Amino acid sequence: DIQMTQSPSSLSASVGDRVSITCRASQSISTYLNWYQQKPGRGPKLLINVASSLQSGVPSRFSGSGSGTDFTLTISSLQPEDLATYYCHQSYTTPWTFGQGTKVQIK
Amino acid sequence: EVQLVQSGAEVKKSGESLKISCKGSGYSFTSYWIGWVRQMPGKGLEWMGIIYPDDSDTKYSPSFRGQVTISTDKSISTTYLQWSSLKASDTAMYYCARQAGLNDAFDIWGQGTMVIVSS
Repeated sequence: DIQMTQSPSSLSASVGDRVSITCRASQSISTYLNWYQQKPGRGPKLLINVASSLQSGVPSRFSGSGSGTDFTLTISSLQPEDLATYYCHQSYTTPWTFGQGTKVQIK
Repeated sequence: EVQLVQSGAEVKKSGESLKISCKGSGYSFTSYWIGWVRQMPGKGLEWMGIIYPDDSDTKYSPSFRGQVTISTDKSISTTYLQWSSLKASDTAMYYCARQAGLNDAFDIWGQGTMVIVSS
């Protein structure tokens, strides 16, 4: 199985800060990498697929980059509504696997 | 509107059987894989398996193979997740999600079904 490792596990930042979350795959997955946002008490929502393609309706402050084994989700200017846990997900080969999640809190 | 609507919360006892459902609407149900994802209380997302409703082709995570059965009834645009003998450790939220796009991301998610199993 491909292991997905996110860092950090949690972070606390102020409104307006630039926030980055990294995801590392245990082997190359090309750009078969997706990012999801899960707000408290809600189901996951797809933010980015193919490593960097923003889903329709997702604010442009979110961006994704990377290929191969190293990927980054960036929030350019953190907003209060971004309080959530963020997960990466590889869809290169089954079994699909998720990262363990990064909890983003607002200072 | 494209949506997946899941069946309601369940409270069961260890050893009982259970089948939960996920109904798709607003799109061609037989053209997209549907996956199931487990989220145990306070924990992350775990991929359980996927099914292609048109021909019932199914792929399971090794962690869940033999523990659950994924099935579908394309005549009513519904996919199922079932257990023959529940354990307390099956207590979790279960999500179905549609797989789509260039690289099979889960683009549409159901609202989740909470399963509580008491011992």
